[in-house]
Amino acid sequence: DTGVSQDPRHKITKRGQNVTFRCDPISEHNRLYWYRQTLGQGPEFLTYFQNEAQLEKSRLLSDRFSAERPKGSFSTLEIQRTEQGDSAMYLCASSSPESSYEQYFGPGTRLTVT
Amino acid sequence: EDQVTQSPEALRLQEGESSSLNCSYTVSGLRGLFWYRQDPGKGPEFLFTLYSAGEEKEKERLKATLTKKESFLHITAPKPEDSATYLCKRGGSNDYKLSFGAGTTVTVRA
Repeated sequence: DTGVSQDPRHKITKRGQNVTFRCDPISEHNRLYWYRQTLGQGPEFLTYFQNEAQLEKSRLLSDRFSAERPKGSFSTLEIQRTEQGDSAMYLCASSSPESSYEQYFGPGTRLTVT
Repeated sequence: EDQVTQSPEALRLQEGESSSLNCSYTVSGLRGLFWYRQDPGKGPEFLFTLYSAGEEKEKERLKATLTKKESFLHITAPKPEDSATYLCKRGGSNDYKLSFGAGTTVTVRA
């Protein structure tokens, strides 16, 4: 297994456009998380899946954000009507049920909204 | 709100010059303290978990220690490849949603 992968690695979009990011977790990990990181800050929690169920969402996840994990494997994060404030690194992480605290992060998707 | 505070924000070291990073936290149901390393343009990489005061963990040139109110990450005789941002995060109930610190960016010059 090559670890958590994310696609695309970089995305430049114009304000008002919709974007979708994909995350493929480590195959045996049933837990998947999305975080957002801005320059000079640590990652901030956005949402958490256990298998296909979205169990928790941060208040940072406004109505323009939606995340899915339809088959309990890969996940997508969609941002509708992007705003300049959405510019950030979007990180995906996964963990196993045996060591849920030990999260494995992907390389992230860098979003720039112009 | 419980949070972690990291200091210093940045640390510039000469190769071989040992130093320490600090992570202090407010305590409310503390259940573990995590350290991660993050290289530019990459996601964080898990390093250590510490659970109780007095606990120590080591990995190569890094040693993490924990007291009741803070954790230290000691870098012994660092090399340029130790250059990275080091993040800490406290554990607790549903620790996946707890905040990371802002990190300490370490630069080691040859």
